[in-house]
Amino acid sequence: AQSVSQHNHHVILSEAASLELGCNYSYGGTVNLFWYVQYPGQHLQLLLKYFSGDPLVKGIKGFEAEFIKSKFSFNLRKPSVQWSDTAEYFCAVNVYYGGATNKLIFGTGTLLAVQP
Amino acid sequence: GAGVSQSPRYKVAKRGQDVALRCDPISGHVSLFWYQQALGQGPEFLTYFQNEAQLDKSGLPSDRFFAERPEGSVSTLKIQRTQQEDSAVYLCASRRDTGSSYNEQFFGPGTRLTVL
Repeated sequence: AQSVSQHNHHVILSEAASLELGCNYSYGGTVNLFWYVQYPGQHLQLLLKYFSGDPLVKGIKGFEAEFIKSKFSFNLRKPSVQWSDTAEYFCAVNVYYGGATNKLIFGTGTLLAVQP
Repeated sequence: GAGVSQSPRYKVAKRGQDVALRCDPISGHVSLFWYQQALGQGPEFLTYFQNEAQLDKSGLPSDRFFAERPEGSVSTLKIQRTQQEDSAVYLCASRRDTGSSYNEQFFGPGTRLTVL
C-alpha cells in the first residue's frame, strides 16, 4: 500500500534558522506531491505542490520543496524561519491508479515550534 | 462564505449514539472528500464524491459509517452506534474539477468528535 513518511515529528528552531523537513513516499507510479500547513487554530492550507516539470517548487511564505524521484522524496525547506511559521506541516501524495479517486495520502505530520 | 464549512465544530456523543456531520463545500466544486484525523496522525481518506456519486468509499472503517451527497453539494457523514475509537477530527475537502488532481483540495475546519 502507498504510504508517506515524515521523519521529524517535532522540530524546535530559533528564528532565522534554516528548516528542512523530510518526506518520503512509497509508490512507483505517477504521483503528485503536496505540503499542507496547519497553523494553530486554523484549518489545513496548501503550502506548495508538485505536478510535473521543474522538481524545485516554490510555495508561499518563502517555502520551497525539491522532488527527487530516485529517492522518492519531497523535502520541504525554508532558509530562514520566523516565529509565525510555528505550525504543523503535512506532506501528502496523490497517486494515480486505475483512473480512481486521486485521494490524498498524508504523512503523520511534523510539529514545528519556532522560538523568538 | 468562500471556504469549506463544517458543522458542528465539536460533537460529544455517548457510546452507541448516532451522529451526523455536515460539510458545505465551496460553491461549484465538483469533488468532495471526507478524511478522518486521529490524534497525532495525519488525515486518512474515508470517501470521495464526484457530484452526487460516491465513487470511492474504500476508506470507510466499517458499515457503521455512511456518507451521502444527494444533490451534489452539501454532504453528510453519518456514524451509527458510535464507539470510542471513532473519536477523531473529521475533515471535509472540496476540489473544483472532476477527477483532476491539478486542482488542490480545500479543507474545512473539521468536526472534532469525542465519544464517551
